[in-house]
Amino acid sequence: EIVLSQSPGTLSLSPGDSATLSCRASQSVSSSYLAWYQQKPGQAPRLLIYSTSTRATGIPDRFSGSGSGTDFTLTISRLEAEDFAVYYCQQYGSSRWTFGQGTKVE
Amino acid sequence: QLQLQESGPGLVKPSETLSLTCTVSGGSISNSNSYWGWIRQSPGKGLEWIGIIYYSGTTYYNPSLKSRVAISVDTSQNQFSLKLSSVTAADTAVYFCARGLVSAFGYWGLGTLVTVSS
Repeated sequence: EIVLSQSPGTLSLSPGDSATLSCRASQSVSSSYLAWYQQKPGQAPRLLIYSTSTRATGIPDRFSGSGSGTDFTLTISRLEAEDFAVYYCQQYGSSRWTFGQGTKVE
Repeated sequence: QLQLQESGPGLVKPSETLSLTCTVSGGSISNSNSYWGWIRQSPGKGLEWIGIIYYSGTTYYNPSLKSRVAISVDTSQNQFSLKLSSVTAADTAVYFCARGLVSAFGYWGLGTLVTVSS
């Protein structure tokens, strides 16, 4: 089973800052199968990025994804008040889906 | 706009079976490009994939839960269901249903809290 480790656990930033979130896999992940989600308290996760770097419908371009192999990154440029949330990476492989433990942007 | 809605008991006794249904509206569960999944989140914790089902009935489960999980689909009702047997307090969580496309879950239900307690 592929384990995803996200860092840092918490990121303390201010509106207007840029955020860089890391997701490291225990084995190589196909770039087609790495996604990122945003979750706010009391809400369901929302898909932000799939296939490493493709923004989901309606996601603003300040969200961007990159990476390959075992190292992937979600970058949020010019943080807005609504971006403060928990972010999860997720991978698919061998008919299994796994999530990272999350990074809180506060 | 596709919508998913979880339903089922909010309280289940230890050792019993948790049963939830997800009703899909605004689209067909028989879409061959989609799969339908269950994900849970224990209080204050991260997301755990439980399993998925295709409209054909093909299923894939989290190995850590496989012995206790069954997911089924009812295309006539545009619904899919989760059964988790022999529950313990560790199964207390918010359970989400979601639609998957390619490798990610793009549409989610609001989630339903299931508490395991006597």
